[in-house]
Amino acid sequence: NAGVTQTPKFQVLKTGQSMTLQCAQDMNHNSMYWYRQDPGMGLRLIYYSASEGTTDKGEVPNGYNVSRLNKREFSLRLESAAPSQTSVYFCASSERSYGYTFGSGTRLTVV
Amino acid sequence: RKEVEQDPGPFNVPEGATVAFNCTYSNSASQSFFWYRQDCRKEPKLLMSVYSSGNEDGRFTAQLNRASQYISLLIRDSKLSDSATYLCVVNTYNTDKLIFGTGTRLQVFP
Repeated sequence: NAGVTQTPKFQVLKTGQSMTLQCAQDMNHNSMYWYRQDPGMGLRLIYYSASEGTTDKGEVPNGYNVSRLNKREFSLRLESAAPSQTSVYFCASSERSYGYTFGSGTRLTVV
Repeated sequence: RKEVEQDPGPFNVPEGATVAFNCTYSNSASQSFFWYRQDCRKEPKLLMSVYSSGNEDGRFTAQLNRASQYISLLIRDSKLSDSATYLCVVNTYNTDKLIFGTGTRLQVFP
């Protein structure tokens, strides 16, 4: 029972580089989310997808793009990384609002 | 004003103590309420949902006061393993999106 799987777990990027964070869930959930967590700021929603084929901006979408490839997978792309994007990124999935299941997170450092 | 506000703590309590956290939310349209637990450098995990009538799960009791727009979590007989950050979470009517508080840190000492 994998739940939500995120890759990679750790990443160091140079300013201006691009990368994609991968997320997959095996619970047949319709909704998927990307959050970032910074000290003192709590979890902030970047993008979410209420169903396959739809995506919407959250609270802090600037500098990110997402793709809901299919029902299982929801990826987050940083086209040109900036030091302000240094954070811990969590993917989550849910069926309605009956509580989220989170992935184990990606620790990203942009230097 | 933040949509969900919590005292960041830390709350430092001895083993066996009873400790309570409160959380306030600003949107009166909020419909669902949760407490999540987050261990250091780990992902948040659902601790319990909060129902209007209040609910209990072992040593944990959650209560909701809609009139005053606050949620509480009571932990009885604290264990060392209860040391973590507790996140207050709400959603708004007819959406799947959850809004997270910044968390209250609990440290239980021997």
